[in-house]
Amino acid sequence: KQEVTQIPAALSVPEGENLVLNCSFTDSAIYNLQWFRQDPGKGLTSLLLIQSSQREQTSGRLNASLDKSSGRSTLYIAASQPGDSATYLCAVRSSGGSNYKLTFGKGTLLTVNP
Amino acid sequence: GAVVSQHPSWVICKSGTSVKIECRSLDFQATTMFWYRQFPKQSLMLMATSNEGSKATYEQGVEKDKFLINHASLTLSTLTVTSAHPEDSSFYICSARSGGGTLSNQPQHFGDGTRLSIL
Repeated sequence: KQEVTQIPAALSVPEGENLVLNCSFTDSAIYNLQWFRQDPGKGLTSLLLIQSSQREQTSGRLNASLDKSSGRSTLYIAASQPGDSATYLCAVRSSGGSNYKLTFGKGTLLTVNP
Repeated sequence: GAVVSQHPSWVICKSGTSVKIECRSLDFQATTMFWYRQFPKQSLMLMATSNEGSKATYEQGVEKDKFLINHASLTLSTLTVTSAHPEDSSFYICSARSGGGTLSNQPQHFGDGTRLSIL
């Protein structure tokens, strides 16, 4: 059974700082990995999708990397802004068994202080 | 693009009431739709997956008769919580994906969720 862990559970940084969020998964047989942002009381906004054959994806100030063999992904946020404050969720789509399902981590609550 | 609209955003109702939540893909055809439930400070838990025109596939432990899912068109899926009770209170989120089959490499797009409170 796939399990996804995100560290840290919460992170508070001053504005302008570069930061890294970590995601690990137990089964490396994945199809793709997706990073989401969730604002309080809201649904999920897709940030980046990395296919299993890819090493990284970039969108603006966000860069996500994937090391499938070690079961790890990182989300790098450059020059953080107060508007980046949200919960960031990592989810993997496993390629074995029930391969259409996304398994989510519990998220990292990010607070960027002005 | 890829907008998923979910309504209502917030529902408060009495125990025993049935509640219907709608999920629409506004600018793409959603071959597959997913329904999730999220408890405070917890990750999303998949309840069921539905393909257009087919019966939904429910996850283990999810009552089919309790949570009725209909996916009658490529842009609309509904979740009906029948005879809701306080323990059904939660945040329900729908998600939609274009592309058929289980190996679609298309990302999932999510609605804004529905906060359901049963008194």
